[in-house]
Amino acid sequence: GAVVSQHPSRVICKSGTSVKIECRSLDFQATTMFWYRQFPKQSLMLMATSNEGSKATYEQGVEKDKFLINHASLTLSTLTVASAHPEDSSFYICSAFRPTYEQYFGPGTRLTVT
Amino acid sequence: RKEVEQDPGPFNVPEGATVAFNCTYSNSASQSFFWYRQDCRKEPKLLMSVYSSGNEDGRFTAQLNRASQYISLLIRDSKLSDSATYLCVVNSPNTGNQFYFGTGTSLTVIP
Repeated sequence: GAVVSQHPSRVICKSGTSVKIECRSLDFQATTMFWYRQFPKQSLMLMATSNEGSKATYEQGVEKDKFLINHASLTLSTLTVASAHPEDSSFYICSAFRPTYEQYFGPGTRLTVT
Repeated sequence: RKEVEQDPGPFNVPEGATVAFNCTYSNSASQSFFWYRQDCRKEPKLLMSVYSSGNEDGRFTAQLNRASQYISLLIRDSKLSDSATYLCVVNSPNTGNQFYFGTGTSLTVIP
């Protein structure tokens, strides 16, 4: 199957720090990538849809100024958590959409804000 | 109303048992349906797609009922390694190809 990488896999940072997470599709071009967040014992919640060359589409309740998404190329999307706070601690997962209605997930980034 | 609803369980079943999970979706225009498996602290992995005619992959059988907007997953002869959370996922092209996840159903297979 297709491979999607995420970096870093784990981040521990202090409150107020900005954190950047990269998502790369390694063996196909992804015009669309998705960013999800998962809190403990809950399902994945879609945060935003990232389209190459255009602005991301954010789900209701997700602050676009706090969660900055840049889809710079067909293989790379980045999520920057601006001025992270403890409540932003979560498991962030990206996925890359292959236009046969398949999506492939990255391994996730565990963010802990102290 | 949530896009996708699942019974969260947990389901605790003995090895060898048959277990079924159900899922309903709200968008009648949804076109693609999937079951994903997620192990603890890992990303979801595609278990199987769900086709209109129903499909089977070894011990796993998925079914779709468009009229009732209902998806099911049946696991026969449960193994210890089947213990995981099973996520029902629906894709709707009329919402920008977004994928909507159910809350997941937790399965523990007991020796």
